[in-house]
Amino acid sequence: DTGVSQNPRHKITKRGQNVTFRCDPISEHNRLYWYRQTLGQGPEFLTYFQNEAQLEKSRLLSDRFSAERPKGSFSTLEIQRTEQGDSAMYLCASSSRVTSGGPRRQFFGPGTRLTVL
Amino acid sequence: GQQVMQIPQYQHVQEGEDFTTYCNSSTTLSNIQWYKQRPGGHPVFLIQLVKSGEVKKQKRLTFQFGEAKKNSSLHITATQTTDVGTYFCAEPVEYGNKLVFGAGTILRVKS
Repeated sequence: DTGVSQNPRHKITKRGQNVTFRCDPISEHNRLYWYRQTLGQGPEFLTYFQNEAQLEKSRLLSDRFSAERPKGSFSTLEIQRTEQGDSAMYLCASSSRVTSGGPRRQFFGPGTRLTVL
Repeated sequence: GQQVMQIPQYQHVQEGEDFTTYCNSSTTLSNIQWYKQRPGGHPVFLIQLVKSGEVKKQKRLTFQFGEAKKNSSLHITATQTTDVGTYFCAEPVEYGNKLVFGAGTILRVKS
C-alpha cells in the first residue's frame, strides 16, 4: 500500500457526461501528479501541482479537462463532455520535495478506470 | 520532445530463465527510474540510476545505466512467477516535475 488513494476506482459514463475523480496523496508530499494510461502504453503525464499551485499542463490536457488542488492536499480531475477517447486509467501520484539528491520517486495510487460508452 | 524507447515489447519465458529489458534514448538522460506494474495494478518504483555506468542490484534484479547515459537495462536472473508484470523505464524531466515513460516490457513466466 503506497498510501495514495483514488476514488472512484471505476467509472462508467455515457458520452457527453461530466466526471470527477479524486486523489488523496501521501500526507507529507507536496507534489501531486496526474497521468493517463491506455492499454499497452506507459503512463502519460497530464499535469502536476506543487502544493496548491498547478505548475504544468500537458498538451494532452484539452480544455475539457481541469484539475484542482485547492488546499494543497487532495486533488480533483474533472472531465467535461466526455468522449469515447477519454476511456483510460487515470493515475495519480505524489512525491516529496525534490532535493539536491535528484528527483524523488513517485508513489502511484491504484487509479480510476474510466469507460465512456 | 523527450522519448525513451523500450524493447522488447513482450517476453514470455520459462520459470527459471533470465529476462532482460532495454531502454534507449537518443538524448543523454539525466537519470532514469524503473517501475513495475503488476497485471491490474499500478506502477511501483523499483530504483533510480543517476551515475554514468552505474550498476545496482536488488536480489535477482540488476539495473545498469550506460556509460553515455543514453541507455539502461533491467536484468532478472532465474525468473519466478512473482516477476510477472510490465516493467517500465521512466525519465524524470524538467527537474523531476514529470516522468516520461517508455512503452514498457510485458513479462510472462510459464511455470
